[in-house]
Amino acid sequence: EAGVAQSPRYKIIEKRQSVAFWCNPISGHATLYWYQQILGQGPKLLIQFQNNGVVDDSQLPKDRFSAERLKGVDSTLKIQPAKLEDSAVYLCASSLDSGTGSNEQFFGPGTRLTVL
Amino acid sequence: AQSVSQHNHHVILSEAASLELGCNYSYGGTVNLFWYVQYPGQHLQLLLKYFSGDPLVKGIKGFEAEFIKSKFSFNLRKPSVQWSDTAEYFCAVKLRGGKLIFGQGTELSVKP
Repeated sequence: EAGVAQSPRYKIIEKRQSVAFWCNPISGHATLYWYQQILGQGPKLLIQFQNNGVVDDSQLPKDRFSAERLKGVDSTLKIQPAKLEDSAVYLCASSLDSGTGSNEQFFGPGTRLTVL
Repeated sequence: AQSVSQHNHHVILSEAASLELGCNYSYGGTVNLFWYVQYPGQHLQLLLKYFSGDPLVKGIKGFEAEFIKSKFSFNLRKPSVQWSDTAEYFCAVKLRGGKLIFGQGTELSVKP
């Protein structure tokens, strides 16, 4: 079974520029998550989709971050404009169920963003 | 607010030593608990999980964890570590709705 795919793996930009990350979850997985992992910390949820609807975006900085999952499959996360403090690894995860069941979340390799 | 606290930031052990990594959580509801591991250069993967039933859960590669409800703890243990266990370990609690709250992680270095 193919895992969660993410691209790019690495991205370096200057502050105030924009950047986009892409995620393709495991086939058939209804729920997709984007996490931000700052160096030395655990992952923090940014947004959770169930199919193409948003379940939780309470910790998404909506003035600069946006995400979509238009067809309920792959997803993009965008930052515009980027700040220095956005330097982090952005992880995508997916799970088979709606999130309330016992299925685990499977994580992708992440995109490491450096903002200069 | 819900939170997860891991007691040690970096643990260094020699091969064959026993391991215990502490994890405490702050959440008043029914808990689902996880330990994830990230080996160097690899992505996060599930080590073990607790949903209900026997509070002693066994995972992959000889790891186990014990859920102690009265102590809000879910400590990870392994009787004898190997060099290949060198990795970062994350404890997490799953909230209703599916959101995972992670601890800050514990880096384990095993000396051959």
